[in-house]
Amino acid sequence: DAGVTQSPTHLIKTRGQQVTLRCSPKSGHDTVSWYQQALGQGPQFIFQYYEEEERQRGNFPDRFSGHQFPNYSSELNVNALLLGDSALYLCASSLVLVSYEQFFGPGTRLTVL
Amino acid sequence: AQSVTQLDSHVSVSEGTPVLLRCNYSSSYSPSLFWYVQHPNKGLQLLLKYTSAATLVKGINGFEAEFKKSETSFHLTKPSAHMSDAAEYFCVVTERGRDDKIIFGKGTRLHILP
Repeated sequence: DAGVTQSPTHLIKTRGQQVTLRCSPKSGHDTVSWYQQALGQGPQFIFQYYEEEERQRGNFPDRFSGHQFPNYSSELNVNALLLGDSALYLCASSLVLVSYEQFFGPGTRLTVL
Repeated sequence: AQSVTQLDSHVSVSEGTPVLLRCNYSSSYSPSLFWYVQHPNKGLQLLLKYTSAATLVKGINGFEAEFKKSETSFHLTKPSAHMSDAAEYFCVVTERGRDDKIIFGKGTRLHILP
């Protein structure tokens, strides 16, 4: 079992650009959640996807959007990047009926210059 | 709405001595509580979870936590610290059956002194 995988590992972008991060869930899981972890902070919930739809969302602007594919993998898109978007982006997968039990990937480190 | 407070941002203990990481929570409904560990440049690993069964929960690597409803606490303990325990620890609360939103504490950095 490969667990949750994320790509890329690191990414450097400039202000105003757009970025796409990818996540493959743990085998058998159907729900994917995304978190932003700023340096020295705990992860902040961005949104969760199930059955290719956004199931719930945290307090993040519309610049943050996502997608879930039929194979349950997911993408996080961020438009019009700001310096403050620099963070570790974590993906977590779960089963919808026990969506509070999440397995995390290693994260993607995004740096915005 | 639920919330979680980790009372110490940094904790230092000597190797071989007990570890105590404190966590208080707020929840209007039946909470589920978790502790995660994050080693440098690694993802989050689940240490243990409380989901309304036994109040004393045993996790991996010798860690355990006790759910105390009267004190709204879920402190993490370990009898004897090891150098490999040095990491960031997060207390997490969610309300099962509600919106299932997961709230992380700000984290406690555990330092192990030789």
